[in-house]
Amino acid sequence: NAGVTQTPKFQVLKTGQSMTLQCAQDMNHEYMSWYRQDPGMGLRLIHYSVGAGITDQGEVPNGYNVSRSTTEDFPLRLLSAAPSQTSVYFCASSSTTGIYGYTFGSGTRLTVV
Amino acid sequence: KNQVEQSPQSLIILEGKNCTLQCNYTVSPFSNLRWYKQDTGRGPVSLTIMTFSENTKSNGRYTATLDADTKQSSLHITASQLSDSASYICVVSATKTGGFKTIFGAGTRLFVKA
Repeated sequence: NAGVTQTPKFQVLKTGQSMTLQCAQDMNHEYMSWYRQDPGMGLRLIHYSVGAGITDQGEVPNGYNVSRSTTEDFPLRLLSAAPSQTSVYFCASSSTTGIYGYTFGSGTRLTVV
Repeated sequence: KNQVEQSPQSLIILEGKNCTLQCNYTVSPFSNLRWYKQDTGRGPVSLTIMTFSENTKSNGRYTATLDADTKQSSLHITASQLSDSASYICVVSATKTGGFKTIFGAGTRLFVKA
């Protein structure tokens, strides 16, 4: 089925470890973004990309890196995981800037111990 | 400061009953408002989108209203079903130099009981 695919669904990391959350979409969307969702808070934008080779920071970018080498893929890297990065991460894509809505992946639940 | 506040935080209703969820925002300049449904363990799915000139939008048993003057929106669910148990998120977009800014509410958690 067409959509946004995130892997893995669950991950436990030790403090200081690094990992990459994968996100792929097959809708030829130019706009892709990463959010984190924490209890009692709205989704917060980490990084976004308006096309291959173009990325920019959102409101909570510290501790995360992204790259966009192809239209389809937008991985999120945690270089040195911290307990404060325990959260649920969502990747989203849109055919424009997201102004008319996003297609979200099913999320990655990350726990940093 | 751009904010989106939703109420109540959680709500329990019996199957078949109606309910209304509220969203107040201070986002400006306003571009559009969307309601999403998020099932447990899944990503949000869009229900409705309204621009400044629209004051109501329906999607099956879901009806969203928008009052741009008071900066309030509501989502009304008619004849609730067990499958309506989910979080409902209000999302407001504002224009900014060079693009748009999107602000997510914290959501209302709805429990529908048999």
